[in-house]
Amino acid sequence: ELKVEQNPLFLSMQEGKNYTIYCNYSTTSDRLYWYRQDPGKSLESLFVLLSNGAVKQEGRLMASLDTKARLSTLHITAAVHDLSATYFCAVDKLETSGSRLTFGEGTQLTVNP
Amino acid sequence: EPEVTQTPSHQVTQMGQEVILRCVPISNHLYFYWYRQILGQKVEFLVSFYNNEISEKSEIFDDQFSVERPDGSNFTLKIRSTKLEDSAMYFCAGPKDRYTDTQYFGPGTRLTVL
Repeated sequence: ELKVEQNPLFLSMQEGKNYTIYCNYSTTSDRLYWYRQDPGKSLESLFVLLSNGAVKQEGRLMASLDTKARLSTLHITAAVHDLSATYFCAVDKLETSGSRLTFGEGTQLTVNP
Repeated sequence: EPEVTQTPSHQVTQMGQEVILRCVPISNHLYFYWYRQILGQKVEFLVSFYNNEISEKSEIFDDQFSVERPDGSNFTLKIRSTKLEDSAMYFCAGPKDRYTDTQYFGPGTRLTVL
């Protein structure tokens, strides 16, 4: 059974600081996703990481993937209040029947002024 | 940019009643998915639907659940006899277009079972 673990689950940080969210998964997967969810809202796709060593950046967020360690990180640089949200990582395995996503527990990020 | 749409946005029902949640995916891609999220918890896979058939389902997706694509565009999730524990957000998801498998999520339907 594929399991996905994130840490920390709760993160409170000051504006301007840097921090990293970690995502570990238990078995080989094909793709690693990061989603953002605002309270009461849907999931917004941030990144899709496909291969070992992949790094993607968008604004103050940077995601990386180490398939050998089964680890992905989401690094936040110089946090701002607008980044406050819950961040989920998810993995899938491509099958002939599609690609169901298995999600982590989510990291609730609060950026304080 | 095209979006996945879902209706209704909020459904309140009595325990034991049937509910139908509707989704219109972005594209005519063959794969579609339903997920649910109990308040404050992670997102859980329910079922995948490929070429008008269920291709995979989770242990959550028991006999009370069914999915259909009644008219080639709409995509429905039916819960025959709702239970209190079915209260959750239900999301449909699907690829944006034929060139990517990234799953884009609809806005969700909040189901409240009383």
